[in-house]
Amino acid sequence: AQKITQTQPGMFVQEKEAVTLDCTYDTSDPSYGLFWYKQPSSGEMIFLIYQGSYDQQNATEGRYSLNFQKARKSANLVISASQLGDSAMYFCAMREGLGALIFGKGTTLSVSS
Amino acid sequence: NAGVTQTPKFRILKIGQSMTLQCTQDMNHNYMYWYRQDPGMGLKLIYYSVGAGITDKGEVPNGYNVSRSTTEDFPLRLELAAPSQTSVYFCASWATYEQYFGPGTRLTVT
Repeated sequence: AQKITQTQPGMFVQEKEAVTLDCTYDTSDPSYGLFWYKQPSSGEMIFLIYQGSYDQQNATEGRYSLNFQKARKSANLVISASQLGDSAMYFCAMREGLGALIFGKGTTLSVSS
Repeated sequence: NAGVTQTPKFRILKIGQSMTLQCTQDMNHNYMYWYRQDPGMGLKLIYYSVGAGITDKGEVPNGYNVSRSTTEDFPLRLELAAPSQTSVYFCASWATYEQYFGPGTRLTVT
């Protein structure tokens, strides 16, 4: 069965530092997609970044990059130069058949000044 | 484009009452989904639809029903509300490689 694991319930980082949020996944399907979403305290789900299983390069979107290690089945999110507004819950998710997403339990990121 | 819209934003139900959560998207997406998010947890799939007239169960369908008569609308029906259905409900639609989420409905059953 497909599964997403986020082992860090909470992470703390200072402004302007980089932080890595861990995500491992399990699937037997050779074609899959991996996603990261941000959920601030207001509750909406904000799409951050996507990595396809056949993509040769790691995905990047501004200050977000996805460290994709296929053999290790990991898809860690790296946020560079953290900002106070990055404080939120972060979810790793994997696309299964018919487009539905399987989510991890999330990591709460707290950025301090 | 309004994207995915959900109504209501908040609702309090008494045990045994019924209600419909509305979801509409204006992006002409065929694939639509309903998820629930319990406190401190990730989202879990309740139902999904791959087009008008076609729906199927997700991971946690018990206590819910859906219909899809048009491409735009995908309402979620709660029959005989129970405290275990207290949650935040998200509707989403799918295009290319991104799911577009609605703002969510916070439901409390007491």
